[in-house]
Amino acid sequence: GENVEQHPSTLSVQEGDSAVIKCTYSDSASNYFPWYKQELGKRPQLIIDIRSNVGEKKDQRIAVTLNKTAKHFSLHITETQPEDSAVYFCAASPRMSGTSYGKLTFGQGTILTVHP
Amino acid sequence: NAGVTQTPKFRVLKTGQSMTLLCAQDMNHEYMYWYRQDPGMGLRLIHYSVGEGTTAKGEVPDGYNVSRLKKQNFLLGLESAAPSQTSVYFCASSSFRLAEPTYNEQFFGPGTRLTVL
Repeated sequence: GENVEQHPSTLSVQEGDSAVIKCTYSDSASNYFPWYKQELGKRPQLIIDIRSNVGEKKDQRIAVTLNKTAKHFSLHITETQPEDSAVYFCAASPRMSGTSYGKLTFGQGTILTVHP
Repeated sequence: NAGVTQTPKFRVLKTGQSMTLLCAQDMNHEYMYWYRQDPGMGLRLIHYSVGEGTTAKGEVPDGYNVSRLKKQNFLLGLESAAPSQTSVYFCASSSFRLAEPTYNEQFFGPGTRLTVL
């Protein structure tokens, strides 16, 4: 089955700095890679995802890159703000189809702290 | 739309007691999931369902049972709670259309914090 490794487990940055979280996956059939943000005591919420037909996707201060050859993908947050402080999870999934339900395998999470 | 809801929000059980967690979604999603979240271990899939009346085991199913009698509801049962089942439980749902490949974008409920003494 799929195995997703996420690093670092904790990340501390100053407000305005950039933050990068990296994930590797093992199953070459995976082609959907979402990132979830979970604030303290709240539910995980999807912030960005990337599909295997693209190498990079941006949404304002957040970007995700994918290297299918190396089986790794990364989350980049620029100009970090204190409200970016949260736990971030990466995940990987094969495409859903009539014969595959597309199981989502999560990384272990990264605790990001942005200091004012 | 309420999205995905879970009841209860908090529960304390004694070892050996039983309970049922309820998940409901109003998005007409076909797929529903139960995860547990423990510190440093991310989200681990307990059971999932690909449609009304069907369920399947995830990666950590032992000690749990599920039922999906209605499309909008997914129940998680603990028959004899153990301290190792102390965790935060999240339900999620996602849609699937047979006519085209779909990516598994999952929507999560607010979670249930369960403590087993």
